[in-house]
Amino acid sequence: DTGVSQDPRHKITKRGQNVTFRCDPISEHNRLYWYRQTLGQGPEFLTYFQNEAQLEKSRLLSDRFSAERPKGSFSTLEIQRTEQGDSAMYLCASSLRGPDTQYFGPGTRLTVL
Amino acid sequence: GNSVTQMEGPVTLSEEAFLTINCTYTATGYPSLFWYVQYPGEGLQLLLKATKADDKGSNKGFEATYRKETTSFHLEKGSVQVSDSAVYFCALTPLLNNAGNMLTFGGGTRLMVKP
Repeated sequence: DTGVSQDPRHKITKRGQNVTFRCDPISEHNRLYWYRQTLGQGPEFLTYFQNEAQLEKSRLLSDRFSAERPKGSFSTLEIQRTEQGDSAMYLCASSLRGPDTQYFGPGTRLTVL
Repeated sequence: GNSVTQMEGPVTLSEEAFLTINCTYTATGYPSLFWYVQYPGEGLQLLLKATKADDKGSNKGFEATYRKETTSFHLEKGSVQVSDSAVYFCALTPLLNNAGNMLTFGGGTRLMVKP
């Protein structure tokens, strides 16, 4: 069990650029979640996958945000036309089944200049 | 909707002091309740959980009891150590919902333990 990994750990970009983050869940986990955490706040749910199906995406912050999990393994979160308000920590978590404990990755810290 | 409210920090204690961090929740049905901890420079880690009323979750000397009548899940530890300094998050997940048991977090409470 290597845990949930995320790449990159830090990303600095200029306003208007597109960014993509990757999450590799624990290998046997079929559920994968994305959260956003701003400074001094608790994580905020964005979207989740069960295998390759994105079953909830209404909480994505705007249509600039999109996520994929093409083969039911790793996932990517893309933010298009980044804005300074997108600066935050983006967290990925995975679980084996719905009610099971979610295990979090270390996060990707995004800074938009 | 679901929500979690926890006491604002920072909470500053001396080593070996008793710790309580209050957490109350609003949810439909019977949620599962969690405490996650975030140590400096590290990711979120599950500290303990409880899945039904009157359950007590415990780990590393920390305890929390699921109180349905007061919709609370307060975190306690009898004797804190400097190494317990971290940010603590209370969270819930409904048993059934459309978002696959998404976690709803409180705002976090920073604990600072001085030697």
